Amino acid sequence: AQSVTQPDIHITVSEGASLELRCNYSYGATPYLFWYVQSPGQGLQLLLKYFSGDTLVQGIKGFEAEFKRSQSSFNLRKPSVHWSDAAEYFCAVKGGSEKLVFGKGTKLTVNP
Amino acid sequence: NAGVTQTPKFQVLKTGQSMTLQCAQDMNHNSMYWYRQDPGMGLRLIYYSASEGTTDKGEVPNGYNVSRLNKREFSLRLESAAPSQTSVYFCASSLGQSYTEAFFGQGTRLTVV
Repeated sequence: AQSVTQPDIHITVSEGASLELRCNYSYGATPYLFWYVQSPGQGLQLLLKYFSGDTLVQGIKGFEAEFKRSQSSFNLRKPSVHWSDAAEYFCAVKGGSEKLVFGKGTKLTVNP
Repeated sequence: NAGVTQTPKFQVLKTGQSMTLQCAQDMNHNSMYWYRQDPGMGLRLIYYSASEGTTDKGEVPNGYNVSRLNKREFSLRLESAAPSQTSVYFCASSLGQSYTEAFFGQGTRLTVV
């Protein structure tokens, strides 16, 4: 069964600083990987996804993520964080059966 | 362009009462999902349906039942609500090919007293 681990429950960064959110997955075959963002009181919005090809994928709002099969990781990055990026971020993995499993999330706080 | 619509948005139940959460999508998606979100626990998969006519258990199915009524609709039923089922419930849908993302509804906030 697939699973996702997000090691960091809460991260605080200063506005303008770089950001990396960690995600490790467990799945026996080729994974399909996703990052979502959730603003307070809102639903989930897709930031980016990986399913094949180039291991560095670009998403919306200036985010990117790199798939590393050898490390079973799919870390999310942004070069310069804006105050509006404060939210909760979720990594997810889908297998061939359409089962979509999420990690516990990382809450991002941005200091001015 | 409604996307995924959940009803109701808020609900308060007494322990032991039953209710059904409704979800409908208008994107002609094949796969549909029900999640619950609790603080510090992320989104936990309750049930999913990979196609019309099929349903499968997720990570936390106990205390819930689902019905894939047709391709558009996927309902979640609590037969005898318990305080532990107080949560925010999200419905989602996906085209049905593994690389396609899920689209989420706005959630139902359920309180069981």
